[in-house]
Amino acid sequence: EDQVTQSPEALRLQEGESSSLNCSYTVSGLRGLFWYRQDPGKGPEFLFTLYSAGEEKEKERLKATLTKKESFLHITAPKPEDSATYLCAVQARGGGSNYKLTFGKGTLLTVNP
Amino acid sequence: DARVTQTPRHKVTEMGQEVTMRCQPILGHNTVFWYRQTMMQGLELLAYFRNRAPLDDSGMPKDRFSAEMPDATLATLKIQPSEPRDSAVYFCASGSRIPYGYTFGSGTRLTVV
Repeated sequence: EDQVTQSPEALRLQEGESSSLNCSYTVSGLRGLFWYRQDPGKGPEFLFTLYSAGEEKEKERLKATLTKKESFLHITAPKPEDSATYLCAVQARGGGSNYKLTFGKGTLLTVNP
Repeated sequence: DARVTQTPRHKVTEMGQEVTMRCQPILGHNTVFWYRQTMMQGLELLAYFRNRAPLDDSGMPKDRFSAEMPDATLATLKIQPSEPRDSAVYFCASGSRIPYGYTFGSGTRLTVV
């Protein structure tokens, strides 16, 4: 069974203080690893898809990286508007009917001004 | 921007009543997911469809939940009878190409009293 574990559960940063969020996963062949951002009262918003170890994607102050067992979301010089819950999900490669997305429980990021 | 539309946004109902939630996926998307989100469990997959065919509903309590996709523009999730433990936010998501991830709706917040 696919598993996703995110750490830490919560992270509080000062504005400008860079850090990383971790997503460890277990999957029988990775089709894709997804990062989402969720603001209170809203649905998750897609950020990145990563496919293979060594791959990196960037968007503004966010950079996602992938190894065979985990993914990191690096946040450089964060701003208060980066405060949100960040979710990681995996989709396994498999038979033609397997498109299930398995999510971690997320990391609640708070950036103080 | 294309959106996934969910109705209603909020629903308060009494225990034992039937609840129907609706989702209009983005036109052209061939994969539709139903998720339930709670503080304790995070995002749990209830069911999903590909090309309108149900592929996996193992996450649903079969005796009370049912999910259907009568046509490409509508997915429904029904709970009958509803129970207080069903109180949660229910999300629909759709997608078709992995690089673009899956787009979530704004959710239906269900409260069963």
